[in-house]
Amino acid sequence: DSGVTQTPKHLITATGQRVTLRCSPRSGDLSVYWYQQSLDQGLQFLIQYYNGEERAKGNILERFSAQQFPDLHSELNLSSLELGDSALYFCASSEDRVAEQYFGPGTRLTVT
Amino acid sequence: QKEVEQDPGPLSVPEGAIVSLNCTYSNSAFQYFMWYRQYSRKGPELLMYTYSSGNKEDGRFTAQVDKSSKYISLFIRDSQPSDSATYLCAMRGYSSASKIIFGSGTRLSIRP
Repeated sequence: DSGVTQTPKHLITATGQRVTLRCSPRSGDLSVYWYQQSLDQGLQFLIQYYNGEERAKGNILERFSAQQFPDLHSELNLSSLELGDSALYFCASSEDRVAEQYFGPGTRLTVT
Repeated sequence: QKEVEQDPGPLSVPEGAIVSLNCTYSNSAFQYFMWYRQYSRKGPELLMYTYSSGNKEDGRFTAQVDKSSKYISLFIRDSQPSDSATYLCAMRGYSSASKIIFGSGTRLSIRP
C-alpha cells in the first residue's frame, strides 16, 4: 500500500458525459501527478500540481482539467467523454517537485 | 524516435534465473532514473530510484545507470514467480518542472 488513495475504483459512463476522479496523496506529500494508461499508449503524464499550483503539463486534452485543493487532495475532471478516453487513470504523489513518486491503485474508466 | 525505448517483451525465464531489463534514452538532460513494477491492473510500485550514473543495490534488485551510453538496466537475482509483472523504467531531468517520462514497459514472466 503506497498511501495514495483514489476513488472511485471503477467508473462506467456514456459518451458525452463528465466525470470527476479523486486522489488523496500520501501524508506530507505536496506534489500530485495524474497519469493516463491505456493499452496502446502506455503510461502518459497528464499534469502535476505542487501545493495547490499547477507545475507541469503533459499530454492533457483541453476537455480535461484538474485542481489541487488546500487540503492537498486533487481532482481530475474529464468532460465530453469519448470512447478513446477509456483507460486507467493513476494519481501519484511525492514529497516535493523532484522526489520519487508513489502511485495510487488507479481508477478504471470505461466509456460506452 | 521516442525519448525512452524499452523492449516490450514478453520475457520468460525459469525461476532462479538472473533477469536483465533495459532501457535506452535520447535526452542527455535526464538525471533521475527509476524502475517501477506493475502487477496487472494495479498501480506502479517504485522499486529503485537513482540519481545520475552508477549502481544501486536493494536486496535482489540492482539498478545500473550508464549516462555516457544513455542506457539503464535493472537486474533481478534469484528470480521468483512473484516477480512476474510489467517493469517500467522512468526518468526525468533535474529541473522541478521537468516531466517524468516512462518507458512502455517489459512484461516479465518467471516460470516455476
